Amino acid sequence: DTEVTQTPKHLVMGMTNKKSLKCEQHMGHRAMYWYKQKAKKPPELMFVYSYEKLSINESVPSRFSPECPNSSLLNLHLHALQPEDSALYLCASSQEGSKNTEAFFGQGTRLTVV
Amino acid sequence: GEDVEQSLFLSVREGDSSVINCTYTDSSSTYLYWYKQEPGAGLQLLTYIFSNMDMKQDQRLTVLLNKKDKHLSLRIADTQTGDSAIYFCADASGNTGKLIFGQGTTLQVKP
Repeated sequence: DTEVTQTPKHLVMGMTNKKSLKCEQHMGHRAMYWYKQKAKKPPELMFVYSYEKLSINESVPSRFSPECPNSSLLNLHLHALQPEDSALYLCASSQEGSKNTEAFFGQGTRLTVV
Repeated sequence: GEDVEQSLFLSVREGDSSVINCTYTDSSSTYLYWYKQEPGAGLQLLTYIFSNMDMKQDQRLTVLLNKKDKHLSLRIADTQTGDSAIYFCADASGNTGKLIFGQGTTLQVKP
């Protein structure tokens, strides 16, 4: 089983809303990631959690707040987003956060901010 | 900083071989990856190669690595219409698991 599950698949939210994206894996992976992908661009890393601790924040604005409640779950809390935050948000997991591990991606949440 | 580059578009006929090329700058790269993304979907890990290998074959996929020139290629034999997608080359950065992606190559397969 190499499945990473993301919910919801699509989300439309207003600029004053608060919403959360969810990601789950049951592969026993200890590293989990959030990437953002704009149309016709490659994914760009936002956050890395390693052993449930935030290890990388790629200077992401505070309106994006990650949370790792346990080793299987990763959330991304959204508040006061801007239209330019509309994108595909991809979650990934790997055995651990190192050079030598394969990362498996979920199907993504397509977010539209209106 | 580290950089990964790919050509943007490749068009082939069904049944032909496709070769997608990638160059990278990180001389300490140990693992390099190929991902496939179909429209509206996430990324599917196709294969990867370790830097002490020159070639890796997996069914219709062949990865070639020229470490001296920092050049990676993905060959798809007997390309099918279902192979139409965007293919990303990626390099793992540092020891964090962070992936640096190329711009992606759109593969168009004509019947």
